[in-house]
Amino acid sequence: DAGVTQSPTHLIKTRGQHVTLRCSPISGHKSVSWYQQVLGQGPQFIFQYYEKEERGRGNFPDRFSARQFPNYSSELNVNALLLGDSALYLCASSLGTGAYEQYFGPGTRLTVT
Amino acid sequence: AQSVTQLDSQVPVFEEAPVELRCNYSSSVSVYLFWYVQYPNQGLQLLLKYLSGSTLVKGINGFEAEFNKSQTSFHLRKPSVHISDTAEYFCAVMTTDSWGKLQFGAGTQVVVTP
Repeated sequence: DAGVTQSPTHLIKTRGQHVTLRCSPISGHKSVSWYQQVLGQGPQFIFQYYEKEERGRGNFPDRFSARQFPNYSSELNVNALLLGDSALYLCASSLGTGAYEQYFGPGTRLTVT
Repeated sequence: AQSVTQLDSQVPVFEEAPVELRCNYSSSVSVYLFWYVQYPNQGLQLLLKYLSGSTLVKGINGFEAEFNKSQTSFHLRKPSVHISDTAEYFCAVMTTDSWGKLQFGAGTQVVVTP
């Protein structure tokens, strides 16, 4: 079975631009969480979606938004990019309520210049 | 609010020697505990988890961890490391009232040398 997939693998954007990152969960998983990992640090929680509804939000500005589609895939959008948004963005999926293990994708490396 | 502290930022170890990575947490509610490994330029792989029951949990690749509630610790151990264990290791906590949100420590870089 395929694991969590993310696209694109890498991308380079300029300050002020907008970016969309995509994630497909493991088949059968209904929850998707997004994390930001700045170089040299542990991942920081951004959002969780379950059954297409936002279930949790971390301490990130409103420039960050996300959504989950009927097939449980998800998009993370970041507007008005700043240099500090350069990071590895990780998507994790889990089965659903009562399932605590999260399985991570390979991440999208975003560089803002 | 909860926090996770990994006490060592880097741990050098010789091949076939044992290793212990320390993790302490603080939380006002019950927690679930996890260890993840991250190889260079990759995502995170779940090594093991503690949800309930036996405080000694075994994971993949010969790793094990012990949950100590009184000391609020969840240290990771491996009796004999291989070169391939060179990676970054993250301890993570999920509180019982915050399903789906993992809080990670800063990570411990393990460097295994021959």
